[in-house]
Amino acid sequence: AQKITQTQPGMFVQEKEAVTLDCTYDTSDPSYGLFWYKQPSSGEMIFLIYQGSYDQQNATEGRYSLNFQKARKSANLVISASQLGDSAMYFCAMRGPMTGANSKLTFGKGITLSVRP
Amino acid sequence: DSGVTQTPKHLITATGQRVTLRCSPRSGDLSVYWYQQSLDQGLQFLIQYYNGEERAKGNILERFSAQQFPDLHSELNLSSLELGDSALYFCASSAGTGTNEQYFGPGTRLTVT
Repeated sequence: AQKITQTQPGMFVQEKEAVTLDCTYDTSDPSYGLFWYKQPSSGEMIFLIYQGSYDQQNATEGRYSLNFQKARKSANLVISASQLGDSAMYFCAMRGPMTGANSKLTFGKGITLSVRP
Repeated sequence: DSGVTQTPKHLITATGQRVTLRCSPRSGDLSVYWYQQSLDQGLQFLIQYYNGEERAKGNILERFSAQQFPDLHSELNLSSLELGDSALYFCASSAGTGTNEQYFGPGTRLTVT
């Protein structure tokens, strides 16, 4: 069974600073994918970044980067130069195995990020 | 805007009733997924369809059912509603079963009174 763990309490960061949101995972599948989604107070789920288990390099998308440490089973999200609009709930999710027909995502409980001006 | 549409945006109904939630995937996407987000259970996968066929089932109650139509839109039917069914229901779509990103719709907030 797959499991995603997000245990940080509410996170606070000063505007323009970087912040790291932690995510650890557990799976027995050799092939899997890791995702981060953002959920602002309006409720929609916004896809941020994806990392495949066989990807050699850490994924980056604009101000978002994923610090993937396979041996430690962690996939932390790094947001650089925080903006007020980054205040939201952030969810880490996993999909696996990547070759299977079942593409469901397993989500963590989420982390609330508040950006201070 | 993800390109996934869901209707209605809000739904308030009474216990014991039946409702239908509708989802239109992004243009060209063949896979549709339904998720339920509640305060106590978090985000949970319910069911997946690919090109009209059921592909995977998660923690979906027997009172719930879904289908995907030939035009690829999907409907989630919830019957004999209970207070605990109050939640935000998301539809997501992806191009296929082997693709990475799932794009979520804005969700339907269901309140059962």
